[in-house]
Amino acid sequence: QKEVEQNSGPLSVPEGAIASLNCTYSDRGSQSFFWYRQYSGKSPELIMFIYSNGDKEDGRFTAQLNKASQYVSLLIRDSQPSDSATYLCAVNTDKLIFGTGTRLQVFP
Amino acid sequence: GAVVSQHPSRVICKSGTSVKIECRSLDFQATTMFWYRQFPKKSLMLMATSNEGSKATYEQGVEKDKFLINHASLTLSTLTVTSAHPEDSSFYICSATGINMNTEAFFGQGTRLTVV
Repeated sequence: QKEVEQNSGPLSVPEGAIASLNCTYSDRGSQSFFWYRQYSGKSPELIMFIYSNGDKEDGRFTAQLNKASQYVSLLIRDSQPSDSATYLCAVNTDKLIFGTGTRLQVFP
Repeated sequence: GAVVSQHPSRVICKSGTSVKIECRSLDFQATTMFWYRQFPKKSLMLMATSNEGSKATYEQGVEKDKFLINHASLTLSTLTVTSAHPEDSSFYICSATGINMNTEAFFGQGTRLTVV
């Protein structure tokens, strides 16, 4: 089993819709969880991090963590074409491990 | 957020030569730096973790004699790809964290290496 799993997509949503990105992880000892956005040919940029069970909101983004289910998600409200990118889930145990990323396409 | 500067952003080299990539934390002390490699349309693959003043810890399958990592100070880590071959062509990215491992990792801009 991969340490961090994501659906590769692409996930296509219309502009203004909610995009839901999901991630599961295998190490129950994981303490912190991150969502990065990566545009083609660029380095990842941090969107949000979450440590505690529940929801964490920042602008149009909401991260959700369920440690019992080993599941973390990212919701993007009012999706914009500029949100089209690959979204990487990362889990920190003693090192930061990335999922394969989900490609999001927001069409006008 | 903190700034991590990576140089060069692009490099083209001939097979058999060595290439050095620098990763600097500009406004914080990076106790740990990570080096990743990313092939097109693939995720970041961790190559090694380096702590200041100690030897790097390499991931399984990564040749330590080929990918030399030096983390001599709290602000600088270098990755040297020795005797580069075309299959080493990839996007190399460093990231750095401070003292608290739960803080987010700050990424450099990445280095696109092309070996011809």
